Amino acid sequence: KAGVTQTPRYLIKTRGQQVTLSCSPISGHRSVSWYQQTPGQGLQFLFEYFSETQRNKGNFPGRFSGRQFSNSRSEMNVSTLELGDSALYLCASRYRGNTEAFFGQGTRLTVV
Amino acid sequence: AQTVTQSQPEMSVQEAETVTLSCTYDTSESDYYLFWYKQPPSRQMILVIRQEAYKQQNATENRFSVNFQKAAKSFSLKISDSQLGDAAMYFCAYRSAVMDSNYQLIWGAGTKLIIKP
Repeated sequence: KAGVTQTPRYLIKTRGQQVTLSCSPISGHRSVSWYQQTPGQGLQFLFEYFSETQRNKGNFPGRFSGRQFSNSRSEMNVSTLELGDSALYLCASRYRGNTEAFFGQGTRLTVV
Repeated sequence: AQTVTQSQPEMSVQEAETVTLSCTYDTSESDYYLFWYKQPPSRQMILVIRQEAYKQQNATENRFSVNFQKAAKSFSLKISDSQLGDAAMYFCAYRSAVMDSNYQLIWGAGTKLIIKP
């Protein structure tokens, strides 16, 4: 069974641009969560989607948004990029609410 | 709000020896899960071990075991017979188990584990 796949693995963007990151969950998993990991703030929850609906959202500005498609694949978008958005973005999938989360290898975003 | 604290930024251990990583947490909930995740240089977060709060028995997975002290809100990870492949960042994480609650993981700051050959 294929694991969680995140694309791209690395990304360099210029301040002010926008970016879209993709996450394909494990087959059959309906829940996808996103986390931001930075040296200063550690791991922080961004949002969670279940069956195309956003269930929860972390304390991030509206520039951070996401969506989930009918095949459970998820995208997150960051608009008007700031230097502080440079981070490792991790995606995790779960079969349903109260089960294990499996993580992808992350997308390393660098904003210059 | 729940918090997770890992007070050891870095730990080192000789190969084949035993090391214990500390984690404390704060919550008012009675039903929750605690996890230890490992993040090697490949960056992928890998689940090491999981503990359900309602279970008094400490979880074990091969060389990995936990010491779960619910009253003290302590959840330490013991790695026995340390191997070079155990070198990684280790994160302690909390998740509510209350039905229909927010299932987000709340993370500690991490402990970097160095294995000396």
